[in-house]
Amino acid sequence: TQLLEQSPQFLSIQEGENLTVYCNSSSVFSSLQWYRQEPGEGPVLLVTVVTGGEVKKLKRLTFQFGDARKDSSLHITAAQPGDTGLYLCAGAAGAGGTSYGKLTFGQGTILTVHP
Amino acid sequence: GAVVSQHPSRVICKSGTSVKIECRSLDFQATTMFWYRQFPKQSLMLMATSNEGSKATYEQGVEKDKFLINHASLTLSTLTVTSAHPEDSSFYICSAQGQPVYNSPLHFGNGTRLTVT
Repeated sequence: TQLLEQSPQFLSIQEGENLTVYCNSSSVFSSLQWYRQEPGEGPVLLVTVVTGGEVKKLKRLTFQFGDARKDSSLHITAAQPGDTGLYLCAGAAGAGGTSYGKLTFGQGTILTVHP
Repeated sequence: GAVVSQHPSRVICKSGTSVKIECRSLDFQATTMFWYRQFPKQSLMLMATSNEGSKATYEQGVEKDKFLINHASLTLSTLTVTSAHPEDSSFYICSAQGQPVYNSPLHFGNGTRLTVT
């Protein structure tokens, strides 16, 4: 069974601060995805990282996939109240067949950015 | 972009009754759909994998007779919570995978809030 350890579970910061969320595993993932979820809605995909060592940027968000494809991080620069939400990392085990979309989710990080 | 519609968004039912939740892929065909359960402020827990034209694959600890899944077409999967009890109250989310499966992202529905009284 593949596990993704996501930390921290809760993060409460002031507007303008930087933050990093981590996802770690002892297993190798073919890809890793980051989602943001608002209360009462489904998760919305932010990014997919596939290659070990890959870094992707989405405005103030920077995503990194570990060289061994076992870990990932999400860094937010100058956080804003609109960044508030539940952030989820999810790893895909392998390619092909119905197992491709079977994601292993981290425990989630509830981010609150205060004005 | 690809859209997954989940219906209803909220449902309240009495204990002992059954509730059906629909998950539709609106502009793509999905041979595989996934059903998740989510408790407040927690992550998604995979319940089962729904495969078009065949039986669903349930995760360990999920009662298949309690949570009936039917994936009768390439655009529709349903989850029926049978003989619902208050402990079944939760947020249920589906996701659908496009084609080809090795190169298509998952698309999530907006979830269904089930409250059993």
